Amino acid sequence: GEDVEQSLFLSVREGDSSVINCTYTDSSSTYLYWYKQEPGAGLQLLTYIFSNMDMKQDQRLTVLLNKKDKHLSLRIADTQTGDSAIYFCAESIDDYKLSFGAGTTVTVRA
Amino acid sequence: DAGVTQSPTHLIKTRGQHVTLRCSPISGHKSVSWYQQVLGQGPQFIFQYYEKEERGRGNFPDRFSARQFPNYSSELNVNALLLGDSALYLCASSLAGTENSPLHFGNGTRLTVT
Repeated sequence: GEDVEQSLFLSVREGDSSVINCTYTDSSSTYLYWYKQEPGAGLQLLTYIFSNMDMKQDQRLTVLLNKKDKHLSLRIADTQTGDSAIYFCAESIDDYKLSFGAGTTVTVRA
Repeated sequence: DAGVTQSPTHLIKTRGQHVTLRCSPISGHKSVSWYQQVLGQGPQFIFQYYEKEERGRGNFPDRFSARQFPNYSSELNVNALLLGDSALYLCASSLAGTENSPLHFGNGTRLTVT
């Protein structure tokens, strides 16, 4: 199946950590992705993880994958105002396309 | 290096008209994909092309068609436009068109159908 679910909104104080959660349904997905979309812009690839990994860290970003529960999370450390955006989780389907969630709108407050 | 470029950035069309959207991939990328993003939703897969061949098609009517040229650029065509076709159309390129070759998106074409 192709169904990626995310919580719709997250509000976080500047300097705190943000955690965005995602669940997916296709157990055969080999790669899972996180994209960021700012107003009026396209999607920016943030990071991706291979399904045989549990964790991937890239500077302020940490991705955790629980393949058994089909749960993916993105942690942003020391959240800044520039991190305010919509974050999309996506799973690879059939080797050539991505199935996206509806996106989580992250608002960073001072 | 230039990223994925799309043209035009904005477009207003009337119901029943036809539209052509254009995309140039990142240099060296041989695969182009098209996605439709309706306001408030995640992108939905329309097409993927690799080496000028269609590799996959999403759940869109035959009014939607695309092609890829020898220089790997691509066009998306939509005929007989409906109000529901109003959306952001995103083009993405990747090296090989497989799941271990991440998609890099352009800024999209905002299509408004009136």
